[in-house]
Amino acid sequence: NAGVTQTPKFQVLKTGQSMTLQCAQDMNHNSMYWYRQDPGMGLRLIYYSASEGTTDKGEVPNGYNVSRLNKREFSLRLESAAPSQTSVYFCASSPWAGTGGNEQFFGPGTRLTVL
Amino acid sequence: GNSVTQMEGPVTLSEEAFLTINCTYTATGYPSLFWYVQYPGEGLQLLLKATKADDKGSNKGFEATYRKETTSFHLEKGSVQVSDSAVYFCALPNTGNQFYFGTGTSLTVIP
Repeated sequence: NAGVTQTPKFQVLKTGQSMTLQCAQDMNHNSMYWYRQDPGMGLRLIYYSASEGTTDKGEVPNGYNVSRLNKREFSLRLESAAPSQTSVYFCASSPWAGTGGNEQFFGPGTRLTVL
Repeated sequence: GNSVTQMEGPVTLSEEAFLTINCTYTATGYPSLFWYVQYPGEGLQLLLKATKADDKGSNKGFEATYRKETTSFHLEKGSVQVSDSAVYFCALPNTGNQFYFGTGTSLTVIP
């Protein structure tokens, strides 16, 4: 089991460029999440997908789009990158969305720098 | 919504010292509470959890007790090791299965 995988691990973009961050999980989880991690701010939720075919905004969705391609894959797209999007991005998955507080499993992260 | 307030760091301890990282929560009802750990260059991983009031979660020598009277879930370890150097996050579920993560506390253990 690879768990949650993310590509790429590192990326440098120029302002205005676009890119897609890929995430896949092999645990048959229903729910998937994208977070960004910035110094002193913990993790902030960008978008999540409670189940295949649904996506919802999190705390900081502006400047991002997502696609839940199938049950395994959940991608994050930056259409026109800005320096404020320099961050470490984490994908996570959990068995299902609900009020039980299921454990989330995290990928290794993508370190993105926007110049 | 639900939230946590976590002790700010960084924290530096000598090996074998006692560790406490404070976490207090604000929540509707009594949700499960979690501690996650992030080792350098890695993603977060679950360290321990407690699913109801007065429960004690434990793992790898770390413990935390869910105390509803003080709305706290402090992380403790009796004797830290260099390998415990990491960032620790307190977390709880928010609406749906969204999580609210604290800002993280960086721990460095020196030999």
